[in-house]
Amino acid sequence: AQSVTQLGSHVSVSEGALVLLRCNYSSSVPPYLFWYVQYPNQGLQLLLKYTSAATLVKGINGFEAEFKKSETSFHLTKPSAHMSDAAEYFCAVSAPSGGGADGLTFGKGTHLIIQP
Amino acid sequence: GAGVSQSPSNKVTEKGKDVELRCDPISGHTALYWYRQSLGQGLEFLIYFQGNSAPDKSGLPSDRFSAERTGGSVSTLTIQRTQQEDSAVYLCASSSARNEQFFGPGTRLTVL
Repeated sequence: AQSVTQLGSHVSVSEGALVLLRCNYSSSVPPYLFWYVQYPNQGLQLLLKYTSAATLVKGINGFEAEFKKSETSFHLTKPSAHMSDAAEYFCAVSAPSGGGADGLTFGKGTHLIIQP
Repeated sequence: GAGVSQSPSNKVTEKGKDVELRCDPISGHTALYWYRQSLGQGLEFLIYFQGNSAPDKSGLPSDRFSAERTGGSVSTLTIQRTQQEDSAVYLCASSSARNEQFFGPGTRLTVL
């Protein structure tokens, strides 16, 4: 069984400040990990993914995440927040197949608010 | 089209009616997934197709829900005798051997 915990349902940062969205996972097998972003009334867009290659993963829009097995974490960061980053962010875990019959297991989501 | 498409984008129905939701995956993607997004439950995985086959249907919320995929392409999710708790956004995703799931814009279902 797999699960994902995202700490903080809402995170507020000032424009230009560091963005840190936390994700911890539980998995009985080495997982694949994903961060998705959802803008209002839209579907999910993949930001980045970890699939057992490099532990530091760079994604789109300046985001990156680091896989830390010892901490079972996959936190999402961006050095400088932009107003356009305001959205809902979801961390997800899957079996090494990338989904398969178990699909993706998502966290509850973190709503990122950017203060001008 | 280039991405996953879903129709209708919005559906309002009366309690007890049947609804059919459609998903057109990215061309060539063999895997297709249905998820449900609701305020109370977050994002829930419903069912997965590899080709036309769904090996495990246990994620479907009740026996009122069914899904099929034909020709290894289009999939339909059918909800019979809709209930108010079925109100949610239903998301479809497809993937190829690279394992990345691409999501459609969703169908917002409202059951009155």
